[in-house]
Amino acid sequence: DQQVKQNSPSLSVQEGRISILNCDYTNSMFDYFLWYKKYPAEGPTFLISISSIKDKNEDGRFTVFLNKSAKHLSLHIVPSQPGDSAVYFCAAANFGNEKLTFGTGTRLTIIP
Amino acid sequence: GAGVSQSPSNKVTEKGKDVELRCDPISGHTALYWYRQRLGQGLEFLIYFQGNSAPDKSGLPSDRFSAERTGESVSTLTIQRTQQEDSAVYLCASSLKVANSPLHFGNGTRLTVT
Repeated sequence: DQQVKQNSPSLSVQEGRISILNCDYTNSMFDYFLWYKKYPAEGPTFLISISSIKDKNEDGRFTVFLNKSAKHLSLHIVPSQPGDSAVYFCAAANFGNEKLTFGTGTRLTIIP
Repeated sequence: GAGVSQSPSNKVTEKGKDVELRCDPISGHTALYWYRQRLGQGLEFLIYFQGNSAPDKSGLPSDRFSAERTGESVSTLTIQRTQQEDSAVYLCASSLKVANSPLHFGNGTRLTVT
């Protein structure tokens, strides 16, 4: 039972353009969402989060959008840079619950 | 270093043997987590520690898996009688005990059971 889904295993984007990574969830109890970035042979690193009381959160080049009615969130990276090439994981939780549920990840490749 | 440290970074073991994986969390982080990632899969929750106790061990896949934490610091994940399906990257993370404070992950232990 995959409660957090990232349906695109991979994505290639030209340097300087916008990268959009998508995530869907099925559990309506989730009210806190995070994005993590992972380079090979390293652990995931926290990127950005959003709670369900908001529909947008921005941090520099990274913006996360949340559509609660559609149970969908997306991560926008503008402009995309070669160092953004990594695997991106979406994660979800009930606020205050310690267990994060992760998606299967999307491998983003930025083409110079 | 200031990050989460895991050892060994790689472990190859024969089926049926026991293995111990170690995690040193960030100093002062009271919450500690174990996840695993099988090839092509997402991160799968195994167990969560708050201090030295484990209020949520619901993700441990079988009674061959156990974990402990001592001194509100180091944690050890033990897998007994390893099976080939145990092959995965085992990731440890720690965080401050503040609701949904971000998890800080180590680089993981890649376990291969032959």
